[in-house]
Amino acid sequence: DSGVTQTPKHLITATGQRVTLRCSPRSGDLSVYWYQQSLDQGLQFLIQYYNGEERAKGNILERFSAQQFPDLHSELNLSSLELGDSALYFCASSVSAAYYEQYFGPGTRLTVT
Amino acid sequence: AQSVSQHNHHVILSEAASLELGCNYSYGGTVNLFWYVQYPGQHLQLLLKYFSGDPLVKGIKGFEAEFIKSKFSFNLRKPSVQWSDTAEYFCAVTDDQTGANNLFFGTGTRLTVIP
Repeated sequence: DSGVTQTPKHLITATGQRVTLRCSPRSGDLSVYWYQQSLDQGLQFLIQYYNGEERAKGNILERFSAQQFPDLHSELNLSSLELGDSALYFCASSVSAAYYEQYFGPGTRLTVT
Repeated sequence: AQSVSQHNHHVILSEAASLELGCNYSYGGTVNLFWYVQYPGQHLQLLLKYFSGDPLVKGIKGFEAEFIKSKFSFNLRKPSVQWSDTAEYFCAVTDDQTGANNLFFGTGTRLTVIP
């Protein structure tokens, strides 16, 4: 157990819908990262937050957004869902924005039908 | 942008065989290197990491990796694999290009160990 929690574990929804994935970082970690793992794209970095502020952006679609709240948990919002958004979404956390060791949560498996 | 290559997609070994999984990255500047393992149905776990210093790093469960800067490589090794090593292995890199701390992952290598 890495100490990073993610809910829900599985999510099945229809195209065009909107979903919210939640992540709680390890106790004491200020930085949260979101990654997408799909069969065709592999593991890709989406976005990083540090202490409530957006720190870095990767291959995140405009239909996706994220935020980090004062209690440091983070939410990833996916809207206008398409079949190709079906993937495993991982959250990771690290002590600080510049601390390289990241601890991963169990992931949320999103299926868009 | 950084790219990470893992040339072995699926490796099948018998127990007690030696393992070497290849990893190459593209960026020529300062990098930090990682190997993560994902057991079936589980989250990614850090096996080992290289930030600086001795290029031969030892990780958990008997794994080690060697950073060869001239070859842009960070290969993972284990002298004798066990059935419980069956998993997917990911090489990952962060670099100093953008100031961000995000990991660039390889496509992963699935290891199957036959008892």
